[in-house]
Amino acid sequence: GAVVSQHPSRVICKSGTSVKIECRSLDFQATTMFWYRQFPKQSLMLMATSNEGSKATYEQGVEKDKFLINHASLTLSTLTVTSAHPEDSSFYICSASSRSGRDTQYFGPGTRLTVL
Amino acid sequence: AQTVTQSQPEMSVQEAETVTLSCTYDTSESDYYLFWYKQPPSRQMILVIRQEAYKQQNATENRFSVNFQKAAKSFSLKISDSQLGDAAMYFCAYRSARFQKLVFGTGTRLLVSP
Repeated sequence: GAVVSQHPSRVICKSGTSVKIECRSLDFQATTMFWYRQFPKQSLMLMATSNEGSKATYEQGVEKDKFLINHASLTLSTLTVTSAHPEDSSFYICSASSRSGRDTQYFGPGTRLTVL
Repeated sequence: AQTVTQSQPEMSVQEAETVTLSCTYDTSESDYYLFWYKQPPSRQMILVIRQEAYKQQNATENRFSVNFQKAAKSFSLKISDSQLGDAAMYFCAYRSARFQKLVFGTGTRLLVSP
């Protein structure tokens, strides 16, 4: 149980375009979803926390207008990187937790974004 | 603010041997959770083990066990009978009981040799 999927696993886009990444909880209802960014050989950096049906809470230094997060249902959250630039290239990971999940976050497999 | 420190950037172990990964944390709270996550080359984060701070008993999951010392704010992971598949980055993480945000350490790379 507690499976989280992400799509796509890899995406390459041109500078200036927008990219959407989906995060789905497959076998549980995710009341809260999290989006992380991970640079090579570094730890995970939390970008934002989203609760179903409400606006996401962004961490300090994360541009909310650049990284749009939508958590429209209990099984789906999306991260849209708007007007992507090469410096946005990174590995993006989502995680999800439920009220009944013993407060544990379960992670998706990640999405590698490359902006040319 | 809470912090998590993993002082060992890299550790090596031979197959079938035992290795211990260190983690210390800093918090003023009394109710919290601690986790060890494994990130293999695929980069999928996998939950290894979880500990509630109010529980005195150390958590155990098969070959994985922790040594939780609440007063010392220490949370080490012991891997027994190491296997080649244990090679990965291991992240220690803290979560307050009040908030859902996970605070990660910088990670320890575990190398396993035959």
